[in-house]
Amino acid sequence: ETGVTQSPTHLIKTRGQQVTLRCSSQSGHNTVSWYQQALGQGPQFIFQYYREEENGRGNFPPRFSGLQFPNYSSELNVNALELDDSALYLCASSLDASGGYNEQFFGPGTRLTVL
Amino acid sequence: AQTVTQSQPEMSVQEAETVTLSCTYDTSENNYYLFWYKQPPSRQMILVIRQEAYKQQNATENRFSVNFQKAAKSFSLKISDSQLGDTAMYFCAFKTSGTYKYIFGTGTRLKVLA
Repeated sequence: ETGVTQSPTHLIKTRGQQVTLRCSSQSGHNTVSWYQQALGQGPQFIFQYYREEENGRGNFPPRFSGLQFPNYSSELNVNALELDDSALYLCASSLDASGGYNEQFFGPGTRLTVL
Repeated sequence: AQTVTQSQPEMSVQEAETVTLSCTYDTSENNYYLFWYKQPPSRQMILVIRQEAYKQQNATENRFSVNFQKAAKSFSLKISDSQLGDTAMYFCAFKTSGTYKYIFGTGTRLKVLA
């Protein structure tokens, strides 16, 4: 069973640029959630994708967008990068998004630095 | 608004000793789940233990146990026989039943000393 993987590991961008982060979900999982973890903080929920549709969103502006593909892998896109976007971006996959309890498994994260 | 508060930014414990990490939360919901996650220095977050709010019995997973006080909205984690590998950030998290959104606290950095 393959775990959750994310790429790239680290990324450096400048203000105003756009970035795409990638996540491969664990085998058999159809739901992917994205989190932003600023330094010294807990993860903040960005959004969740379930069967290629956005299933819910946290308090993040529209310049944060995503996609989920038929194989359930996912992308997080951030446009017009700001300095405050510097953070560790985590994705987590789970079996479904029914709202009950399904354990989510986290990837190692992508460290984004915006200069 | 639902919130999760961890009031201990850092803690340390001697190897083989017991340590308790605190967490309080605020919600008006009655059906929810509570979690403790561990994030070692390598960054991959893993689930340590979970508790369903409707269960009165405190959850236990080997050396890890919780003290769930629903009325007080308190959910502490006890680590017994601490090991060097327990050194990590520990996050308390909350999820309402029927929703997809996890809410995390700010974390407690635990250092186990040899």
